[in-house]
Amino acid sequence: AQKITQTQPGMFVQEKEAVTLDCTYDTSDQSYGLFWYKQPSSGEMIFLIYQGSYDEQNATEGRYSLNFQKARKSANLVISASQLGDSAMYFCAMSTWGDKLSFGAGTTVTVRA
Amino acid sequence: SQTIHQWPATLVQPVGSPLSLECTVEGTSNPNLYWYRQAAGRGLQLLFYSVGIGQISSEVPQNLSASRPQDRQFILSSKKLLLSDSGFYLCAWSVGHTDGGYTFGSGTRLTVV
Repeated sequence: AQKITQTQPGMFVQEKEAVTLDCTYDTSDQSYGLFWYKQPSSGEMIFLIYQGSYDEQNATEGRYSLNFQKARKSANLVISASQLGDSAMYFCAMSTWGDKLSFGAGTTVTVRA
Repeated sequence: SQTIHQWPATLVQPVGSPLSLECTVEGTSNPNLYWYRQAAGRGLQLLFYSVGIGQISSEVPQNLSASRPQDRQFILSSKKLLLSDSGFYLCAWSVGHTDGGYTFGSGTRLTVV
């Protein structure tokens, strides 16, 4: 069974600073995908970034980067130059090939002006 | 382009009443379809998933059921709602394993009173 752990229930970050959201996972599969989603107060789930287990380079998408440490089974999300619009709940998720997506409990990020 | 429609956006239902939430997908064929529930401030719990018409798998025992009468239609139902059925329900689709993970609908906020 897959398990995703997000240990930070909530975080505050100053505007324009970077923030790192922690995510660890547990799986016995060798092939898997790691995802981060953003959920603003409206409730929609917005896909941010993806990392495949065989990808050697860390994924980056604009201000989002994924710090993938396979041996430690961690997939932390880094948001650089935080903006007020980044305030939301962030979920780490994982799926093995062709299987269901499992989510962590989420981290609430509040960006302060 | 692929889109996913989910309705209604909000719903207030009395205990013991029936429920029917509908989700439809456009622009793709034979998608995998999913129903998730999210309690307030919590992560997403997978309720049902379907890999084809009439094929439903349940992840957790509960008061709800799901059906897939057409390839791109997924319905979540209950004969008699409980207070504990309150939550935010999200429909999602995927085509196997992709680097985009799942695409989510806009969600239905259900309050059982």
